[in-house]
Amino acid sequence: QSVLTQPPSVSGAPGQRVTISCTGSSSNIGAGYDVHWYQQLPGTAPKLLIYGDISRPSGVPDRFSASKSGTSASLAITGLQAEDEADYYCQSYDSSLIGYVFGSGTKVSVL
Amino acid sequence: EVHLLDSGGGLVQPGGSLRLSCAASGFTFSSYSMTWVRQAPGKGLEWVSFISDSGSRTNYADSVKGRFTTSRDKSKKTLYLQMNSLKVDDTAVYYCAKIGTGNYFEDWGQGTLVTVS
Repeated sequence: QSVLTQPPSVSGAPGQRVTISCTGSSSNIGAGYDVHWYQQLPGTAPKLLIYGDISRPSGVPDRFSASKSGTSASLAITGLQAEDEADYYCQSYDSSLIGYVFGSGTKVSVL
Repeated sequence: EVHLLDSGGGLVQPGGSLRLSCAASGFTFSSYSMTWVRQAPGKGLEWVSFISDSGSRTNYADSVKGRFTTSRDKSKKTLYLQMNSLKVDDTAVYYCAKIGTGNYFEDWGQGTLVTVS
């Protein structure tokens, strides 16, 4: 049972916009800890996609954006492309567990 | 360019031990905290352990506390994960990662598979 809750899957047609939610609690996201997002392509290691709630590392397309409010965060992918098919994970820190926590993961499918 | 090379995985019986290594290059190893993350087959990511840049502070997930120990060798630029009393549930791909200034995992190794059976 993951501390951060994500929908198991989302899908969209090429060019569409999809969003992935990440719901936490008062001991992690709600406590103000940053939320980060990772993309994991099939058979590969995770890759940092978004850090510090909203920032993109160099090389990440601006089709990827993120936001945070209260005890939740969300990742948006606009102009969906076939290469975006992957698993996406949110991550934060939890003051009750005294450790890092991940979301349950969301599989994005391009129809 | 940052490069993290995970190694040491393999097949081990329940109750056995294994030591994983993560060789780092392309950055000042002693200036960054490091972490281990694992992923069971077909499952999501699970944080395992943290070690500070100096090695003076460590922290572990409850699922491995008391059984796993993370350490680092500054001269060899290598991160370690000593895993003892292994359980079937420890079966996973183990990734090392470099922790950025904002507590995000900015670079990852390729992973090494540990099978406990």
